[in-house]
Amino acid sequence: ELKVEQNPLFLSMQEGKNYTIYCNYSTTSDRLYWYRQDPGKSLESLFVLLSNGAVKQEGRLMASLDTKARLSTLHITAAVHDLSATYFCAVGVAGGTSYGKLTFGQGTILTVHP
Amino acid sequence: EAGVTQFPSHSVIEKGQTVTLRCDPISGHDNLYWYRRVMGKEIKFLLHFVKESKQDESGMPNNRFLAERTGGTYSTLKVQPAELEDSGVYFCASSQPLADLNEQFFGPGTRLTVL
Repeated sequence: ELKVEQNPLFLSMQEGKNYTIYCNYSTTSDRLYWYRQDPGKSLESLFVLLSNGAVKQEGRLMASLDTKARLSTLHITAAVHDLSATYFCAVGVAGGTSYGKLTFGQGTILTVHP
Repeated sequence: EAGVTQFPSHSVIEKGQTVTLRCDPISGHDNLYWYRRVMGKEIKFLLHFVKESKQDESGMPNNRFLAERTGGTYSTLKVQPAELEDSGVYFCASSQPLADLNEQFFGPGTRLTVL
């Protein structure tokens, strides 16, 4: 059974600081997704990482994928309060004509303090 | 473009009652998924439709859960009879047909509370 583990599960950061969220998964996959969820809202797609060595950046967030290590990272640069949210990684597993279901990590609750 | 919508946003029912959740995917998205997050746990896959066909229902917990997608448009998820452990947030997601990315777009979820 595919397992996806995120750490840390809780992250309290000061504004302006940098930090990284880690996502480890237990089986071969080259589809890694990062989502953000604000309280009571839907999951918002942040990044789709398709291959080994993929790196994507959007604003203060940068995601990378190492398929050999089965590891993805979400790096936060110079955090601001607006980044406070829950962040999920998810792994797509090939099947049939699409990558089908996603297997999610537990989520990382990020709180950015002034 | 309208996103994925779900109805109702909240539902509170008593054990033994029936509840039906509805999901309207993004127009043109053949793939429709149901997921569930029980309090304190991960978001778990329930099932996947391609148009009106069930592609994968390996995550459905038991036969009290029935999902349909007649006509390949909106989908319903019925829980009958509901049990306490069915409480959680039920998410629906959709993605484009045969898209290599399979980027799934999520609805806001339905929070189900079974008393």
